[in-house]
Amino acid sequence: EAGVTQSPTHLIKTRGQQATLRCSPISGHTSVYWYQQALGLGLQFLLWYDEGEERNRGNFPPRFSGRQFPNYSSELNVNALELEDSALYLCASSLGRFETQYFGPGTRLLVL
Amino acid sequence: DQQVKQNSPSLSVQEGRISILNCDYTNSMFDYFLWYKKYPAEGPTFLISISSIKDKNEDGRFTVFLNKSAKHLSLHIVPSQPGDSAVYFCAASDRDFGNEKLTFGTGTRLTIIP
Repeated sequence: EAGVTQSPTHLIKTRGQQATLRCSPISGHTSVYWYQQALGLGLQFLLWYDEGEERNRGNFPPRFSGRQFPNYSSELNVNALELEDSALYLCASSLGRFETQYFGPGTRLLVL
Repeated sequence: DQQVKQNSPSLSVQEGRISILNCDYTNSMFDYFLWYKKYPAEGPTFLISISSIKDKNEDGRFTVFLNKSAKHLSLHIVPSQPGDSAVYFCAASDRDFGNEKLTFGTGTRLTIIP
């Protein structure tokens, strides 16, 4: 069974640009979560989508947004990129709200 | 405010011995705890979890212990193997209030010495 997949693996942008990161959950999983791991920090919760709706968001500014599509895949958009947005962005999926989260390999975003 | 803390950034253990990784939390609303293992350039891999209604959960070589009164949990790996060398993250959530987001510790790098 295929795991969580993310694309691209690496992304280089300049300050002020927009970045779009994509995630495909494990087949049958309806919940998708996004986390940020900045250098030297732990994983910080960004967003949670379930059944196409945003259910919760972490302590991040509104320029971090996303959506979940009818096939449960998800997109994370980061607008007006800042240097400190450089981080590993991890997507996780679960069967439902009370089920274990399984992580993808991440997208490493570098903002120059 | 770091609600989940892993105070040991690194740990070295001889192959075959027991590895004990520790985690403390401050939020008394947390009722579900997990351990993840992470290799470089990969996402975290789920290892084992425990609900607050239990104080121990075993899965093969991995056992997680939960001490609610001390707000402390630990992961025991017995026997330790070279493939266990990775960064281990403790995570917690408060499911009672429908908050499924995970709060992670900063990780402990475990090195198994052959």
